[in-house]
Amino acid sequence: TQLLEQSPQFLSIQEGENLTVYCNSSSVFSSLQWYRQEPGEGPVLLVTVVTGGEVKKLKRLTFQFGDARKDSSLHITAAQPGDTGLYLCAGAEATGANNLFFGTGTRLTVIP
Amino acid sequence: GAVVSQHPSWVICKSGTSVKIECRSLDFQATTMFWYRQFPKQSLMLMATSNEGSKATYEQGVEKDKFLINHASLTLSTLTVTSAHPEDSSFYICSARDVRAYEQYFGPGTRLTVT
Repeated sequence: TQLLEQSPQFLSIQEGENLTVYCNSSSVFSSLQWYRQEPGEGPVLLVTVVTGGEVKKLKRLTFQFGDARKDSSLHITAAQPGDTGLYLCAGAEATGANNLFFGTGTRLTVIP
Repeated sequence: GAVVSQHPSWVICKSGTSVKIECRSLDFQATTMFWYRQFPKQSLMLMATSNEGSKATYEQGVEKDKFLINHASLTLSTLTVTSAHPEDSSFYICSARDVRAYEQYFGPGTRLTVT
């Protein structure tokens, strides 16, 4: 089982602040996905990154895939209460591989 | 697009009974579907991989006779929790992988409570 460690595990910040969530592994992944999950619901896909060094932006969210494709980060600018949720990274070992290995999760709370 | 549904969204059953959960991909075909279990405030734990027309592949520690998986079509997989016990109470989530892409799309989850 491949292990994806996320940090921090918990994060509580004030509205308007910036934050970064990290997803690290000793394994190489062909692609990595970020999801956000709200209580009582399934995870919702935010982005997929596939190329080492790739940066993708989704409004106030910036996702980066490490050059070696072992790690990724999610940066949120000017966080809003609607950003509150559980953020999960998930990696696929090989192109076309079925399994996703999920990270340990980061629970974000944005206080109005 | 890429919508996955689950039914029921929540269920309460008595210990010893069986419960079936359905997972459907509504607007795409999925040769592979996945079943996860999630405990409160924790990440997702893969239980099994369901392949259309063949037997499911179970993760280590998951009892295949207790968690029966059937993937009868390209848009439907079912998970049956047999002889449920209170320790089976959990949030069960399915996902489906679009045959044309990397991504997995998740259902809204089913909360099972066994009394």
